[in-house]
Amino acid sequence: GAGVSQTPSNKVTEKGKYVELRCDPISGHTALYWYRQSLGQGPEFLIYFQGTGAADDSGLPNDRFFAVRPEGSVSTLKIQRTERGDSAMYLCASSLIGVTGELFFGEGSRLTVL
Amino acid sequence: ELKVEQNPLFLSMQEGKNYTIYCNYSTTSDRLYWYRQDPGKSLESLFVLLSNGAVKQEGRLMASLDTKARLSTLHITAAVHDLSATYFCAVDDGGSQGNLIFGKGTKLSVKP
Repeated sequence: GAGVSQTPSNKVTEKGKYVELRCDPISGHTALYWYRQSLGQGPEFLIYFQGTGAADDSGLPNDRFFAVRPEGSVSTLKIQRTERGDSAMYLCASSLIGVTGELFFGEGSRLTVL
Repeated sequence: ELKVEQNPLFLSMQEGKNYTIYCNYSTTSDRLYWYRQDPGKSLESLFVLLSNGAVKQEGRLMASLDTKARLSTLHITAAVHDLSATYFCAVDDGGSQGNLIFGKGTKLSVKP
């Protein structure tokens, strides 16, 4: 597609529920990233995929968070047993691996945990 | 641990005025990025600065990088209302590519 596509754009769930957020990167971009942005803050790195494998998952806050990219394109961020503190905008980005490292971000999925 | 600080965090300007936003970072890096974010929207890439002394300009915005001072500036010339947004700088932490450390952002409001 023309840009990074994320679904859903908004998700409201109850504490303790399971949530999946989807990201479809720019066609041809091998690198995919998940970031989390809380209100009034800058985005924080969660995880980076190069192809199908998670090359760096050091930003995942705890084991309730997991992400997959089984075919090296679309990725799903999975959050188990959601907590109110998980409420944030979840941003996906993709890039070409190369010199610049420039990331192209999607519109984000806003998660609200009640 | 790499820290990125922006100042000011809030900036109210009149149209036609000039101003500079500063981005300081705490450890060595030679890759710095500026992004713009409109309310409720995602981040739009503005500038990619990859070496000491790099200067990039687009319209009324100009960004520069001094890696020795660990400082980048985003200069706004003759501001217009359409520039109202939040501006983030982000620094590559030197680990895996794409692990960027973002500042808290500068919320710019340009008033007529």
